Amino acid sequence: EVQLVESGGGLVKPGGSLRLSCAASGFTFSSYSMNWVRQAPGKGLEWVSSISSCSSYIYYADSVKGRFTISRDNAKNSLYLQMDSLRAEDTAVYYCARVPVVGGTRGPMDVWGKGTTVTVSS
Amino acid sequence: EIVLTQSPGTLSLSPGERATLSCRASQSVSSSYLAWYQQKPGQAPRLLIYGASSRATGIPDRFSGSESGTDFTLTISRLEPEDFAVYYCQQYGGSPYTFGQGTKLEIK
Repeated sequence: EVQLVESGGGLVKPGGSLRLSCAASGFTFSSYSMNWVRQAPGKGLEWVSSISSCSSYIYYADSVKGRFTISRDNAKNSLYLQMDSLRAEDTAVYYCARVPVVGGTRGPMDVWGKGTTVTVSS
Repeated sequence: EIVLTQSPGTLSLSPGERATLSCRASQSVSSSYLAWYQQKPGQAPRLLIYGASSRATGIPDRFSGSESGTDFTLTISRLEPEDFAVYYCQQYGGSPYTFGQGTKLEIK
């Protein structure tokens, strides 16, 4: 079964750090790009960051650029999001999502994890 | 950055009726790289439509997508009780991979 499982969420004070993980199973992780997407309480979806299959291409939303770092370990079938200098507005459910790439062209997010909750509060 | 504007914000319909959801892009979306997702309360989003009009695996044929220039439409031909949810459009043609603000489809 194709599956993504996020972990690492929790309560952190403003200015603090947190590292999210996403464990992939049931597919060839190294063949896919991956995304992080977040959803603040009662709000819509916000794309956060993307990483290509070999980590050659990395992109960030302006709202997190310079504070968040996406990475992956294909040997461990894992995706990560290092979040530093956290702010109250980073409070959200964070989802990892799979992105197929066909012929060098990115596709939509076709598999999603259930999400992990990050709360930034003093 | 491509801004996606969805309308209406909320759509109230009854089971069996036809639903038409709109997503307007602020500029051309590269190669029709526009997707639609469905999200139910407490659940992760689910991919419905990609490439503006192709159904994802396992999606019933009552869901269809279309495009006209920078206007994209998701149509649900006959609403089933399980279709009442929030729907998001998203462009994946280039970073930042923006989402629309969502349309809530509620039971009338």
